[in-house]
Amino acid sequence: EAGVAQSPRYKIIEKRQSVAFWCNPISGHATLYWYQQILGQGPKLLIQFQNNGVVDDSQLPKDRFSAERLKGVDSTLKIQPAKLEDSAVYLCASSRSRVREYFGAGTRLSVL
Amino acid sequence: QKEVEQNSGPLSVPEGAIASLNCTYSDRGSQSFFWYRQYSGKSPELIMSIYSNGDKEDGRFTAQLNKASQYVSLLIRDSQPSDSATYLCAVSRSGGNQFYFGTGTSLTVIP
Repeated sequence: EAGVAQSPRYKIIEKRQSVAFWCNPISGHATLYWYQQILGQGPKLLIQFQNNGVVDDSQLPKDRFSAERLKGVDSTLKIQPAKLEDSAVYLCASSRSRVREYFGAGTRLSVL
Repeated sequence: QKEVEQNSGPLSVPEGAIASLNCTYSDRGSQSFFWYRQYSGKSPELIMSIYSNGDKEDGRFTAQLNKASQYVSLLIRDSQPSDSATYLCAVSRSGGNQFYFGTGTSLTVIP
């Protein structure tokens, strides 16, 4: 079974620039999560999709972050414009049920 | 109050010793509890899940859950240098499949 795919693995941008991350979940997993993990902290949920609908985006900074999962499969997370404090690893995860979630390798973002 | 709290450590134990990692959570209705291991620069990987009070053993790992005290722990017996990592506690609230993570405890096993 293929795992959760994410790209790019690394991204370096300057503040106020835009950036987008892509995630392809495990086949058949209806639930998709985007997490932000700042160095030394645990993952923080940004947004949760169930198929192509948003379940929870309460911690997503909506003035600069957006996410979509148009066909209920892969997803993109965008930051526009980026701030220094957005430097983090962005993790995508998927799950089939409420039992467990599987993480991708993550995208490490550095905002200079 | 944070959803999930962990002692950030670092925790150091000698090889062969028992490492004890602790986690408390705020939502009394939480149903599912997980321990993830995260090596530096890598994504979290699930090592244990527990859903009912008591102990659950899997090899060298034992998860312990006490819902009355809102406390979950992970014991690692015969600790190995390869166990050196950050251990994340995650809790899933009742009625949903949202996962809340603690900040993690850094464990170093000294050869």
